[in-house]
Amino acid sequence: RKEVEQDPGPFNVPEGATVAFNCTYSNSASQSFFWYRQDCRKEPKLLMSVYSSGNEDGRFTAQLNRASQYISLLIRDSKLSDSATYLCVVKAFVAGTYKYIFGTGTRLKVLA
Amino acid sequence: EADIYQTPRYLVIGTGKKITLECSQTMGHDKMYWYQQDPGMELHLIHYSYGVNSTEKGDLSSESTVSRIRTEHFPLTLESARPSHTSQYLCASSEAGWAGSRDPDEQYFGPGTRLTVT
Repeated sequence: RKEVEQDPGPFNVPEGATVAFNCTYSNSASQSFFWYRQDCRKEPKLLMSVYSSGNEDGRFTAQLNRASQYISLLIRDSKLSDSATYLCVVKAFVAGTYKYIFGTGTRLKVLA
Repeated sequence: EADIYQTPRYLVIGTGKKITLECSQTMGHDKMYWYQQDPGMELHLIHYSYGVNSTEKGDLSSESTVSRIRTEHFPLTLESARPSHTSQYLCASSEAGWAGSRDPDEQYFGPGTRLTVT
């Protein structure tokens, strides 16, 4: 079982739709949580950190459920430019050091 | 925008050559990382550094080496390139150093070097 699991997709949605991604993690010592966006053949770019109380940045809302060990990302009013792979990343204390553990990503295609 | 740079962006080189991939950041971050990523696959950590004169191997076995003589610079060297080294190499940095407990401590990535070994 992977330490961070995501549905690989692709999620094909029409413009204007609302789409939600989930991510589960297995390490209960996980400390910090992030969503990154990665375009094809480009570097990951930080979309948002995820806080325990949940947080919102424009059309993007992130939620954290520590008890169930999952993180979610909600995108409202999808734009064509939102098409990308969304990576769930968890920072956890593992074997005496802090490590960033990456999911394989969820592909999103927003269709005109 | 993150101030982290990688050169070269693209490199095609023959088997057996020695190569150094450069990474530098101007954010004063203590911690730096090298990841390897194949198309459509997840990132794998190959090296990291907590600060000057600190280097550690990551999760993925790699024939590369790194050095950290200056805070802003974290080059990766392959002594003898092979076709199996063909991949994208991503450098990243984050603020927290030895303590590592700073929350949330986001990582910022450079644009990557796409390496092809023929």
